Amino acid sequence: AQSVSQHNHHVILSEAASLELGCNYSYGGTVNLFWYVQYPGQHLQLLLKYFSGDPLVKGIKGFEAEFIKSKFSFNLRKPSVQWSDTAEYFCAVSYQAGTALIFGKGTTLSVSS
Amino acid sequence: NAGVTQTPKFQVLKTGQSMTLQCAQDMNHEYMSWYRQDPGMGLRLIHYSVGAGITDQGEVPNGYNVSRSTTEDFPLRLLSAAPSQTSVYFCASRLIDSNTEAFFGQGTRLTVV
Repeated sequence: AQSVSQHNHHVILSEAASLELGCNYSYGGTVNLFWYVQYPGQHLQLLLKYFSGDPLVKGIKGFEAEFIKSKFSFNLRKPSVQWSDTAEYFCAVSYQAGTALIFGKGTTLSVSS
Repeated sequence: NAGVTQTPKFQVLKTGQSMTLQCAQDMNHEYMSWYRQDPGMGLRLIHYSVGAGITDQGEVPNGYNVSRSTTEDFPLRLLSAAPSQTSVYFCASRLIDSNTEAFFGQGTRLTVV
């Protein structure tokens, strides 16, 4: 079955530390990849997306992600986190344009000031 | 442009009661879907629709019904609520045949006692 794995359940960092959240998907065909963020008590918001082209994509709030097809990975990075980045982060994939997104189980990021 | 609107935001039901969670979008998106979010489980797809009159089951459809009479609306019905259906429910929509992201509603927090 198609699936998405997020390696870290809970990550705790101090402000200014660098962040990398792992994401792997199970299928090797054409994929659309997404990272969503959910701040406490809020709905999901798109951080960034990859459909094709440059495998290094930049999103909002200084986040970026790199698509490595050979590793079926789409890891999220940020050079220097802020307290306001405390949230839950979800990796998602769709295997056909305009169809359901399959989500990972999420990673909770806690940033201490 | 309101995007995706869900009502209600909070609901408490007694076991065995029925209710409908409403979802409406004003972006003329063909694809709509319902997810439930549970701690440590990420978002799991309940039902989805690719257009008016067409619905299909997702990963966790049992206990839920949907219909799609218009492009804009995609209600989710719980016919006989169970405590296992206590969750946060999100509606999402996106364009079909287009490399765009899914847009999410604000969520409905449902508690079944």
